Amino acid sequence: NAGVTQTPKFQVLKTGQSMTLQCAQDMNHNSMYWYRQDPGMGLRLIYYSASEGTTDKGEVPNGYNVSRLNKREFSLRLESAAPSQTSVYFCASSVTNYGYTFGSGTRLTVV
Amino acid sequence: AQSVTQPDIHITVSEGASLELRCNYSYGATPYLFWYVQSPGQGLQLLLKYFSGDTLVQGIKGFEAEFKRSQSSFNLRKPSVHWSDAAEYFCAVGANGNKLVFGAGTILRVKS
Repeated sequence: NAGVTQTPKFQVLKTGQSMTLQCAQDMNHNSMYWYRQDPGMGLRLIYYSASEGTTDKGEVPNGYNVSRLNKREFSLRLESAAPSQTSVYFCASSVTNYGYTFGSGTRLTVV
Repeated sequence: AQSVTQPDIHITVSEGASLELRCNYSYGATPYLFWYVQSPGQGLQLLLKYFSGDTLVQGIKGFEAEFKRSQSSFNLRKPSVHWSDAAEYFCAVGANGNKLVFGAGTILRVKS
């Protein structure tokens, strides 16, 4: 009964490095999301995937790419990390009517 | 576009006192509204939600919220706060495409 699993939980990157944040859900949800959380700004949507095979930009997509690998997995890639991407990243999945389940987050620091 | 405003960044209340966290939304139609709680280092947990019907909604952990269309508000309340309620609270509105738009959050501190 894992729900939404995010890896890694913590990561430190140097400016210009790349990395992929992994997210997997075991609830057979169609929709998946990536949010970033910054102090005083709440959670902002980066990308989402309404169903397997589709992805769309959210509010703050610049500097990120996503892949909906299959129904279970939705990854977020930073091609060239910047200090402005220091944040806590949350993956979520949902059924209809906004029934969201959140992962426990990835804390990323870019130095 | 949909938006959510939480006017209070921090609130401090004494243990046992009542609590009200404010939330105002902007949305053209009847909104779907949510309150989430986040304990330090944790993910978000749903406290309650409003879709339609009774404007007073009961949630988990003794929380309730009241939808007031005339004021575009969805304030969260609890009659008696416990030290374990210290956390960050987020109000959210459902946007097109099953997306959630969040407010900036309110950090609740509970003093004993």
